[in-house]
This record gives sequence, C-alpha cells and structure tokens, in this order.
Amino acid sequence: GENVEQHPSTLSVQEGDSAVIKCTYSDSASNYFPWYKQELGKGPQLIIDIRSNVGEKKDQRIAVTLNKTAKHFSLHITETQPEDSAVYFCAATFGRAGSYQLTFGKGTKLSVIP
Amino acid sequence: DSGVTQTPKHLITATGQRVTLRCSPRSGDLSVYWYQQSLDQGLQFLIQYYNGEERAKGNILERFSAQQFPDLHSELNLSSLELGDSALYFCASSGASGGMELFFGEGSRLTVL
Repeated sequence: GENVEQHPSTLSVQEGDSAVIKCTYSDSASNYFPWYKQELGKGPQLIIDIRSNVGEKKDQRIAVTLNKTAKHFSLHITETQPEDSAVYFCAATFGRAGSYQLTFGKGTKLSVIP
Repeated sequence: DSGVTQTPKHLITATGQRVTLRCSPRSGDLSVYWYQQSLDQGLQFLIQYYNGEERAKGNILERFSAQQFPDLHSELNLSSLELGDSALYFCASSGASGGMELFFGEGSRLTVL
C-alpha cells in the first residue's frame, strides 16, 4: 500500500518566521495531496490541498508545493502566529478509482513561540 | 463544527471487553471512514463504507468490525479489547460536496485498563 513519510516530527519557530513541513509518498498513482491541521482535543481539519496536475497552490499565509517526479510535497506557512500551533498531517490518496483512501503521514507538531 | 458526530467522546473499559463507537456523518455524505490515532502511529486507516457497503479495508484487526446502516450512520465494534487498543478513534465522512475532502468528527477516546 501507500507509504507517506513526514518530516520533521516536531518544529518550533518564532512568531513571524516561516515553517516548512515536508512529505514524500510512494505510490506514483497518487493524485491528491491534502494537508490537515489538528488542534488539541479536536479532529483533523483540511487547510489546503493540491492535485497532481498543479505544482503549487497558495491560500493567504499557507502554500503547498508538489514535485511529482520526486514524489514529494511540502507545506509552507509564512508569518506564523501562535494560533498556528497544532499538529499538521500530510496525506496522499491510494486505491482504485471510486474507492480512494487517504494515507496520512505521522504528523508534525508545530509550536509557534510568541 | 465539521458536521460529523461521534459518540461517546470518552470510554474507559477493561481488557477483554467489547465496545461500540458510533458515528453520524455529515448530511448528504455517503462515505464513512474509520481511523485509529495512537501516539506513535499517526492516523491509521481502518475501514471505509459507502452507502451501506464495505468499500475498502485497511489495517483493521479481526477483533474489530464495522457497519453502515440505511440511515448512513456507522458503528465500529471493538471486541476482546487489549491494552494496545487504547487510542483515539476518528470517523470521517465525504461525498456530498463532490470533492475528496474528509470531514472528521472529534473522535472517541478509548482507554483500556
């Protein structure tokens, strides 16, 4: 099955600095790559996603880049704020048409220090 | 609020027991997914149902089973519980919006003593 590696497992940044989280995937057929944010005591929530026909996508302070050849994708958060502190998960699809599942990375705990 | 409801939020039980976790998906979503989240394993896919039928299986133990009912709610049954089954169990749903986004509930925290 699909394997998704995520690094780093923990990341501390000063408020206002940028944060970058990287993921690699194994299944070349994967075509959808979402990023989820999980706050303490809550379920994961989608913050941005990218499809395989796009190399980069941006939404205000967050952006995702995809390199299909290298099978890796990254999350970039600029001008970090304390409320960005959370666990972030990358994911990639696997499975056959009509029956896709998401395989998640093991998560990155981001701490933004005021 | 994702629109996905999970009960109970917390559950403490003993080894060897059986529990049932319940999930109500977002209105209109036909797909329900179950994930297990433990400290060192991240989010592990267990099983997917689509409109009442099992669609895919992941790393689900034989002691675990699930079903999706005609009203689309789903239940995850965990039996012969072991200490290692202690984890957060998430339900997610998708489909109504036509996209691939999963909407997660807030999870059921199971503690096996």
